[in-house]
Amino acid sequence: SQTIHQWPATLVQPVGSPLSLECTVEGTSNPNLYWYRQAAGRGLQLLFYSVGIGQISSEVPQNLSASRPQDRQFILSSKKLLLSDSGFYLCAWSVLMFGPTTSNEKLLFGSGTQLSVL
Amino acid sequence: SQKIEQNSEALNIQEGKTATLTCNYTNYSPAYLQWYRQDPGRGPVFLLLIRENEKEKRKERLKVTFDTTLKQSLFHITASQPADSATYLCALDMSGKLIFGQGTTLQVKP
Repeated sequence: SQTIHQWPATLVQPVGSPLSLECTVEGTSNPNLYWYRQAAGRGLQLLFYSVGIGQISSEVPQNLSASRPQDRQFILSSKKLLLSDSGFYLCAWSVLMFGPTTSNEKLLFGSGTQLSVL
Repeated sequence: SQKIEQNSEALNIQEGKTATLTCNYTNYSPAYLQWYRQDPGRGPVFLLLIRENEKEKRKERLKVTFDTTLKQSLFHITASQPADSATYLCALDMSGKLIFGQGTTLQVKP
């Protein structure tokens, strides 16, 4: 079965400390992977996406970076956290859906990491 | 740039009524549009996808419409239940990436 694992569930970090959030998927190969952030009361902001090992696209300039060392592993990092990095971080991968004439993709999300930078 | 608008005010309705949520977008013509449900502290869960050549899509008590002329999608929940209370997000395909609206919170009162 297709599953996505994301950890930790919650994290409290001081300003200036490093960050590493990990996401792994099972039941698929060569998935498209995504990192989103959701600030309190806000929508989902796409941060990074990856179509393969070592291939990372950044959507917005920020204090964060992403890496994909293995096919089914996606890591979100920061060398020095800022207060503005606080938020709910979600990893996702796209699952193909087949229609009568076309195919589209939906996202399968992890359970999220609530990051508080103090 | 692409803009997706959902009503930021919470929608409060009585159990048994039909809830209607709106998603408007500008400056783009997406090939498809998706709706997700998000419960507090959880990741969004996919509900429905509607393609640009489809006017309406149904799934059990859910119905989605897609008007590419008005650049609008409506999401309906009929015979609403307290368990339907959640935040509902619309998302558009933009060059292979899904861009989300800020979501509308629905509260169904018993």
